[in-house]
Amino acid sequence: NAGVTQTPKFQVLKTGQSMTLQCAQDMNHNSMYWYRQDPGMGLRLIYYSASEGTTDKGEVPNGYNVSRLNKREFSLRLESAAPSQTSVYFCASSRAGGSNTGELFFGEGSRLTVL
Amino acid sequence: DAKTTQPPSMDCAEGRAANLPCNHSTISGNEYVYWYRQIHSQGPQYIIHGLKNNETNEMASLIITEDRKSSTLILPHATLRDTAVYYCIVRFPSGAGGTSYGKLTFGQGTILTVHP
Repeated sequence: NAGVTQTPKFQVLKTGQSMTLQCAQDMNHNSMYWYRQDPGMGLRLIYYSASEGTTDKGEVPNGYNVSRLNKREFSLRLESAAPSQTSVYFCASSRAGGSNTGELFFGEGSRLTVL
Repeated sequence: DAKTTQPPSMDCAEGRAANLPCNHSTISGNEYVYWYRQIHSQGPQYIIHGLKNNETNEMASLIITEDRKSSTLILPHATLRDTAVYYCIVRFPSGAGGTSYGKLTFGQGTILTVHP
């Protein structure tokens, strides 16, 4: 099983350039998330999509946009990259519904450097 | 979501039990305790979660105190591959409208180093 797949795994951008991080899951999960992790820090939620067709801001949404393309795919776009966006980006997904869920499945990360 | 407090680092000898504590004194009645770990810079991996009863799975055991203000993750026989950052997270399992979404709030976690 592929689980959560992120592309690209590595990317170097110049300040002001734009790019899209792609994420796809094959577990039929309803909810998907984008996190970022700066060196020595915990993960911080950027955006999430509770279900297909909906997206909401997380803790650090400024400078990002997202698209829930379909149930499988959730992309993160940087319109004008800044050095402060240098980070490792993780996509995750989870089931929806029930009262004892909440387990997140994470991708392997996309390492972005903005020069 | 309730705030958690974990020691920044711990050591453990290979083959011994690793006991990782977590304080969550402001936890509310419906909040669950989740544990994740992150090996090197890989994506976090779910370990276990619980509400009030102790839980055990193939990876670990979770002991939650009766007042639910603290918990301990136990790795019964730690191996070198268990060296990782361990995150204790407290949250409600379901969001508005009954939709469950995992808006996990990750702190700094505990760096567990397992020594030969």
